[in-house]
Amino acid sequence: AQSVAQPEDQVNVAEGNPLTVKCTYSVSGNPYLFWYVQYPNRGLQFLLKYITGDNLVKGSYGFEAEFNKSQTSFHLKKPSALVSDSALYFCAVSPGGGNKLTFGTGTQLKVEL
Amino acid sequence: DAGVIQSPRHEVTEMGQEVTLRCKPISGHNSLFWYRQTMMRGLELLIYFNNNVPIDDSGMPEDRFSAKMPNASFSTLKIQPSEPRDSAVYFCASSSPGKSGYEQYFGPGTRLTVT
Repeated sequence: AQSVAQPEDQVNVAEGNPLTVKCTYSVSGNPYLFWYVQYPNRGLQFLLKYITGDNLVKGSYGFEAEFNKSQTSFHLKKPSALVSDSALYFCAVSPGGGNKLTFGTGTQLKVEL
Repeated sequence: DAGVIQSPRHEVTEMGQEVTLRCKPISGHNSLFWYRQTMMRGLELLIYFNNNVPIDDSGMPEDRFSAKMPNASFSTLKIQPSEPRDSAVYFCASSSPGKSGYEQYFGPGTRLTVT
């Protein structure tokens, strides 16, 4: 069975500083990895995915994530955080070609002035 | 595209009443998912459909919950009878594996309160 761990419940960062939200996974076979963002009282919004190819994936709003197979990680990054990035971030995994996503527990990102 | 549409956005009902949540997936998507989100349990997959057929309902809490997908553009999640512990935000999501990708697109959710 697949699983996702987001070890930090909350990440605080100052605006303009780089941010990292951590994610590690466990899955049989090749992983399909995803990041989603949820703003208050909204549905989850797709940010980016890794299926195959380049380990560095770029997504919406300047976010990127790096797939590291040896460390089974898929950390979300952004070079310069904005206050508007403050939201709940979810990492998700599925086995290659599988339809069912397993989500992490979410990390609350707070960007302060 | 209008995205995934859910109705109602908010539902307040009394314990014992029947509740029906509705979802219209993105046109052309052939997979549909129902999730429940609470503070205590996070995001839980309840059931998902491929080509209108239920594939995995292992997340459905109990027999009080049922879901249908009579056609490619409509699905319902029904709770009968409802209980206060069913209070949560229910999300519907759709995807098109192999075509536009495996990512799921979520609706705005239905906030259910059972008193």
